[in-house]
Formats: sequence, structure tokens, C-alpha cells
Amino acid sequence: RKEVEQDPGPFNVPEGATVAFNCTYSNSASQSFFWYRQDCRKEPKLLMSVYSSGNEDGRFTAQLNRASQYISLLIRDSKLSDSATYLCVVNGAGNNRKLIWGLGTSLAVNP
Amino acid sequence: ETGVTQSPTHLIKTRGQQVTLRCSSQSGHNTVSWYQQALGQGPQFIFQYYREEENGRGNFPPRFSGLQFPNYSSELNVNALELDDSALYLCASSFPRGSTDTQYFGPGTRLTVL
Repeated sequence: RKEVEQDPGPFNVPEGATVAFNCTYSNSASQSFFWYRQDCRKEPKLLMSVYSSGNEDGRFTAQLNRASQYISLLIRDSKLSDSATYLCVVNGAGNNRKLIWGLGTSLAVNP
Repeated sequence: ETGVTQSPTHLIKTRGQQVTLRCSSQSGHNTVSWYQQALGQGPQFIFQYYREEENGRGNFPPRFSGLQFPNYSSELNVNALELDDSALYLCASSFPRGSTDTQYFGPGTRLTVL
């Protein structure tokens, strides 16, 4: 089992749609969780940290379920500019602060 | 922008050569992590430097080595380049606080090995 697994995608949705990305992680001791966004041939940029209580930033909502080792990202009212690859990232357990990345899910929002 | 810079932006090398990539961290950040991202893949952790010491390493051979300087900038060195080393090399800087470690990425160096 991969350490971080994401929906394979790609997702093609019309503008205004709601889209959800799912991610599971294997190490129950992981402590920090993030969603990054990466545009084609650019560096990843932090979209949101994910907290146990869930958090929302405008049209974006992230949730964490520690019992199921599951993270989600919901995008409401999709915009053309949301087209990108969304990467689920988990911080390694213990003193090793390496980030473990999923392969990413590609989203294309169509007019 | 994150304030993390990398140089060069693009590089073409041939098999067997050596390469040095550079990264300047965001002001106030004492930790630099290096990642390799092959086309269509997520970034793979190479290693991390914290206050000039290596602080964790991924599954990369010893020909991948690094340094961190007193100003917290960093270098990634790759010896005996192989075709499979062609990738985007990303560095990320951070200032770890407790169990959290939000990392901010530079624009990357795209390395092509012919």
C-alpha cells in the first residue's frame, strides 16, 4: 500500500460544479496534513493545511478523519482558474519532517 | 511569491556529469528540504537540512548529496548523472514549529540529462 493515495483522476467538470478529492494515508502516527495545488510546470503551492476539526477557506473545505486515515478537499462553485493538479501531502511521523506526497489528481474545469 | 529562489531554472547535462543546484530559503527559515519530481509524479523527498545538518533522507543513492550554509541557503549535488535523474528539482524552506512544518517551495530547477 502506498503511503499516500489519491483518486487517480483526471476530473473534468463544468464551471460552477462541486468537486471532491479524497486521499488516504497509511501511517497512523502522521501529524500534519496539507493540500497543495500545482499548475502545469510550476512549483506546488500550499492551498490549505488540514485540521482535525475541518477547515474552510472560501470555496474550499478540507476535512480530516484520523480514525479512517482519510483526508478530503471539497471545491464548491468551480472556476476555470481552479484547473490544476491537487496534491495530498502528509507529514512524516516522529522527528522526520519529510513530506510524503500523493501522485496528485488533475482537475480541468470547463466553460 | 514564497521568497524561495532556486538557480538555475533550467539545465541540460549529459550522462556521467555532475550538477550543483542552489536554493535560497525564505527569510527566517532555518530548514531546507529537497524534492525530485518526475513528470506525472508527485514530489519525492530527497533530504532535509536543519541548521546545517542533514535531518532525514529519502530513498536516494549517495551520489545525491547536499549542503546547508550558515545563512541557511542550500545546495544539492548529483554525481554521475543518469538519464532517470531528469526531473524538476524543488527546494522548500520552512521553520518547524512543534509538529507542524509548512513548507514553501521555490520555482524549481528543471534538469534534463541526455
